[in-house]
This record gives sequence, C-alpha cells and structure tokens, in this order.
Amino acid sequence: KAGVTQTPRYLIKTRGQQVTLSCSPISGHRSVSWYQQTPGQGLQFLFEYFSETQRNKGNFPGRFSGRQFSNSRSEMNVSTLELGDSALYLCASSPRTGPYEAFFGQGTRLTVV
Amino acid sequence: AQSVTQLGSHVSVSEGALVLLRCNYSSSVPPYLFWYVQYPNQGLQLLLKYTSAATLVKGINGFEAEFKKSETSFHLTKPSAHMSDAAEYFCAVSDGGSTGNQFYFGTGTSLTVIP
Repeated sequence: KAGVTQTPRYLIKTRGQQVTLSCSPISGHRSVSWYQQTPGQGLQFLFEYFSETQRNKGNFPGRFSGRQFSNSRSEMNVSTLELGDSALYLCASSPRTGPYEAFFGQGTRLTVV
Repeated sequence: AQSVTQLGSHVSVSEGALVLLRCNYSSSVPPYLFWYVQYPNQGLQLLLKYTSAATLVKGINGFEAEFKKSETSFHLTKPSAHMSDAAEYFCAVSDGGSTGNQFYFGTGTSLTVIP
C-alpha cells in the first residue's frame, strides 16, 4: 500500500503570497489531519478533515484553511504569507476519525522570504 | 485538556546501552498514547501505541513502553541502542475521539547514539 504523499516537498514563497499544499492519504483512509512543525513551537495541530467535513481546528489564524475532496485527498492553503509561516507542514491520514494512529507523510518544507 | 511532557530534550547513550526516553501525560479522560520517531527531513513514523488493551506495549525496532496510570507516565525503552536509533522521538496523546484525531505532541527528545 502506498503511504501518505505530500506535494511539493519543498517550496519557497515571498511574503504576502499564498500557497497551496497537497496531501494524498493512504488508500481507504478517510481522515486527514494537518500539522505545522517549527523549531520554536514544535508540532501544532492545524485541522482535521473527515468525509469532506472539517472536524476540528487548531488555534491558527483564518489565513490557514483547508479542504478535503470526495476521494479523501486534501489541500491546505495559507494566504498572505508571513515569515513566521516558514515550517514543515505534515499531513497525516487515519482510517477514520477517533483515537487511531496517524500515518504521516514526509512533509512539505515551506520557506517564506 | 490533553498534554504530554517529555523530560530531556537531548539524550545520549552508548551503542548497546539501554535507551530510556521519558514521557508524562496529563489527561482528563483515559488517554490514548503514542510514540513516534522522526529522522532528518522525514515525516513521523509510528513506533507504538497504547489504547488500554495492555499496559506493556511492544513496538517496532525493539522498542516498548509501559503505561503507568499511578505515575501518569508512558516511558519508551529499548534494551540495546543501535546507531540507527539516532533520531527525534515524540510522545503524543489523544483524548479518545471527542476531538477527532487531534494529537497533542511533546516537545521531542533527540537521541544520540555514541559508537
């Protein structure tokens, strides 16, 4: 079974721009979660989608948004990029929502200059 | 609210020595606990999980962890360290479903293995 696929692996953007990151979960998994990882703040939960519905959202500004498609693939978007948005963005998939283990992708490294 | 605390941001052990990485949790409900490992420029890989079936949990690569409710701990151990164990280790807790699949991660412990 293929793992969680995130594209692109690396991105460099300029302040003020917007960016879209993509995540393809493991086949059959319906829950997709997003996390931001930075040296200063560690791993922080962004949001979770299950069956195209946002189930839970972390404490991030509205510039961070996401969606999930009918095939469970997910995208997250960050608008009006700030330098502090530079981070590794990790996507995780689970068979269903609830206390199940999450399988992580390799992440997208976003650098804002 | 859920949280985990990892004691020791850096741990060094000699190859062949015992690995002990500490994790204490805070949970208002019976917790679901996980250990993940992250290698440089990689995502997180699940080592093991505790979901109340057994207090001693065995994971991959020879790691295991023991859930101790009285100590609110879930420490990760491995009897004999290998060079390939050098990585960042994260403890995480989930509250069991009321907030979906949201994990609360510790700040991580960087493990160095000395040859």
